[in-house]
Amino acid sequence: AQTVTQSQPEMSVQEAETVTLSCTYDTSESDYYLFWYKQPPSRQMILVIRQEAYKQQNATENRFSVNFQKAAKSFSLKISDSQLGDAAMYFCAYRSAWGAQKLVFGQGTRLTINP
Amino acid sequence: DGGITQSPKYLFRKEGQNVTLSCEQNLNHDAMYWYRQDPGQGLRLIYYSQIVNDFQKGDIAEGYSVSREKKESFPLTVTSAQKNPTAFYLCASSSYSQGLGNQPQHFGDGTRLSIL
Repeated sequence: AQTVTQSQPEMSVQEAETVTLSCTYDTSESDYYLFWYKQPPSRQMILVIRQEAYKQQNATENRFSVNFQKAAKSFSLKISDSQLGDAAMYFCAYRSAWGAQKLVFGQGTRLTINP
Repeated sequence: DGGITQSPKYLFRKEGQNVTLSCEQNLNHDAMYWYRQDPGQGLRLIYYSQIVNDFQKGDIAEGYSVSREKKESFPLTVTSAQKNPTAFYLCASSSYSQGLGNQPQHFGDGTRLSIL
């Protein structure tokens, strides 16, 4: 079974600075997808960014980018120019490319933005 | 607007009572999912359904039941056998196609269940 580990329960960053959230996963599959979801205090789950394992190029969405290291099974999220609205719980998630498209989530990292 | 509607937002259960959480989507998605969220544990999969009239157990299905009679609806019943039901429950849906595996899951706003 696949597992996802987020080793940083909490992180904080000064507004306008850059922060990196860590995620590692364990799988024996070669085809899969990785996601970062954001959960603000409203508890809504919002997709931040996604990465296909077969793509070597790291995904980027505006101020959000990932560092995907397939051999190391690492998928970190970098947030540049942090804004107060970025404060939230961030979850890393794994999904197999085939079969049931279930998400396996990490435990989450609570990100605080200091003004 | 297309989306997922969960109701009620807050729900209270008495001892020995079954309660049902509603999840409706108008995204025309084939697959639907139920997750449970406890503090510090992330989201865990309870049940999922890829097509109408079919569903599978997730990692923590004991004490829960579901049905999928319509494509749009995937209600979750928390039975009296679930001894620790207090949690936040999230419903999600996604397109299901092997060729569209990177389609993300869309989530509802959740239901918070507490024991009276």
